[in-house]
Parts: sequence; structure tokens; C-alpha cells
Amino acid sequence: GQQVMQIPQYQHVQEGEDFTTYCNSSTTLSNIQWYKQRPGGHPVFLIQLVKSGEVKKQKRLTFQFGEAKKNSSLHITATQTTDVGTYFCAGASGGGATNKLIFGTGTLLAVQP
Amino acid sequence: SQTIHQWPATLVQPVGSPLSLECTVEGTSNPNLYWYRQAAGRGLQLLFYSVGIGQISSEVPQNLSASRPQDRQFILSSKKLLLSDSGFYLCAWSRLRGGNYGYTFGSGTRLTVV
Repeated sequence: GQQVMQIPQYQHVQEGEDFTTYCNSSTTLSNIQWYKQRPGGHPVFLIQLVKSGEVKKQKRLTFQFGEAKKNSSLHITATQTTDVGTYFCAGASGGGATNKLIFGTGTLLAVQP
Repeated sequence: SQTIHQWPATLVQPVGSPLSLECTVEGTSNPNLYWYRQAAGRGLQLLFYSVGIGQISSEVPQNLSASRPQDRQFILSSKKLLLSDSGFYLCAWSRLRGGNYGYTFGSGTRLTVV
């Protein structure tokens, strides 16, 4: 079945350093979404990318969707302690009525002040 | 605005006992509904999804079942819990159309089977 892998599993950075997490799907995706889960919390939707090669920015966060629509990345510039949490990508394939997402394995970001 | 409610927040149940977790959505109609499970420090595993009343699709054969008796109500059940059923259970809803396909998650139920 479809698998979505993320690397790294864990990243520890000093506040102010940049951070990148990479997401790879075993199948072509119709869209990819990114979520953030704070420790002890639930995942919160950040953004959706639909087009091949699409790049979107949210303040210090930059999201990219690969040309082949099988990979994506999230880059955070100048991390802050509020960025702590687990970042998940989630891919949808095939469209249809289900909008079913397969979540990646997640990257846990720790930020040291 | 749309809200999603999930309860209880935490639950400790003995092995072999039944389970019923409820999720309700307000402020929207005909949502897609999902149940996910997250083991400690792990990713999210899709358990069930529903595109309408009485329509349930199971992703992983296991000890659990789901039902959707009303448009905005989604229930996760088990007749006899196993130790391996412990985890963080998350309900989510989404629209299919409207531009934003993102999921909105409930606050989750932390289930410990002892």
C-alpha cells in the first residue's frame, strides 16, 4: 500500500538555526498537506500543496511540492522555541469522495533556547 | 464556525472491557469523518473513514469497529479491548470541496488498556 516516509525522525537545533524536513511518497500524490502537532496536542493543519513544483510560504515556513508530486519539504528559517513539535506531511492520492490522507512518519523538532 | 468535539480526553480500561469513543462535528453538514490512532511517539494510522451516514470503510483489520449513526456523529467501538489497543485516538473531519481540504482534528482520547 501507499507509504509516506519523512526524514529525519528527530532534529535538535539551537534557536535561530534553520530546519528542514523531507517527505517522500511511494506513489504519486494528488495533493500534500502539512500538519504540526505540539507535544501533548493534536495535529493542526498548516497548508496544502496541489500543483507540481508548487512553493508556498507562511512567514518563516516554506513548503515545496516536488515536480513529480511524490515528495515535499518544509523549511523553517530562524527557528524559535514556539516551533517545537512534530511536523507531519500527509498525502492524498486518487482523489474521489474520500479525501483520505496517509500521514508520514513525522519529524520531531526540538529547539534549544 | 465549525467545531469538533471528542470525548473522553483520557480513559483507562481493563483488558477485555468494551470501548466507545464518540466524536461530533458542529457547524457543517455531510463532512468526511476519520478515526486515526497514534502510538506513543509514532505517526498517525488511519483506522476508519466515512463519507456519509452508515458508510464506513476500514483501513486496518483489527479489534475495533466504527459507526456513523448521524451525519455529524462518528463512534469508535470495541467489544473487548486488547493491550495493543492503547494509544492516542484522534477523530477528524474534512470537506471534499471548497478549496481547503485540510483535516480538522479533535483534541483526542488517550486510551490506556491495563
